[in-house]
Amino acid sequence: DAKTTQPPSMDCAEGRAANLPCNHSTISGNEYVYWYRQIHSQGPQYIIHGLKNNETNEMASLIITEDRKSSTLILPHATLRDTAVYYCIVRVRSYGQNFVFGPGTRLSVLP
Amino acid sequence: KAGVTQTPRYLIKTRGQQVTLSCSPISGHRSVSWYQQTPGQGLQFLFEYFSETQRNKGNFPGRFSGRQFSNSRSEMNVSTLELGDSALYLCASSSEQGAKNIQYFGAGTRLSVL
Repeated sequence: DAKTTQPPSMDCAEGRAANLPCNHSTISGNEYVYWYRQIHSQGPQYIIHGLKNNETNEMASLIITEDRKSSTLILPHATLRDTAVYYCIVRVRSYGQNFVFGPGTRLSVLP
Repeated sequence: KAGVTQTPRYLIKTRGQQVTLSCSPISGHRSVSWYQQTPGQGLQFLFEYFSETQRNKGNFPGRFSGRQFSNSRSEMNVSTLELGDSALYLCASSSEQGAKNIQYFGAGTRLSVL
């Protein structure tokens, strides 16, 4: 699986959009971008995933650059409950493959 | 639909003992994966079971083992506990149906080895 690079920490004001970047310059054509988050001492929570098109669900939007070498997770109106560690993972979408978690980005939403 | 259930939530053991952790996947999910999370090493993959067979394995010593039952419930066992085994153990299940292959995690079992 391709390696990802994320900033170790970010701050965001409550009510503003949180934009979390992820670099995955060695991503291959069959690898998807997945985002998970982990609120303190809980299990990771799936947020969204995509291949090359932008994706949106009730939690967030995922913007993937045209060359697929980077992506941005957008939380449109961050709340205090969005404070968590956010993990960007790239992997092939085949069964029997585990997720390789990096250190992620610690997002702090400030009042 | 109920989520992934892990029991117990907290466990305290002493060095040399063994421990068994349990995971009930989301109904209909047949794949169960286990991960260890420590402050120093982060989230690391232990193993994955599908249809009662270990399909994938991480780089952990043989003291760490697991199994899956016919109802997809899974257990992991750690024998001869060491202080370094203190960690949050996470279980995740996924469905082989459809194309998403998303892993859904339980709340974890926090193991403290004294």
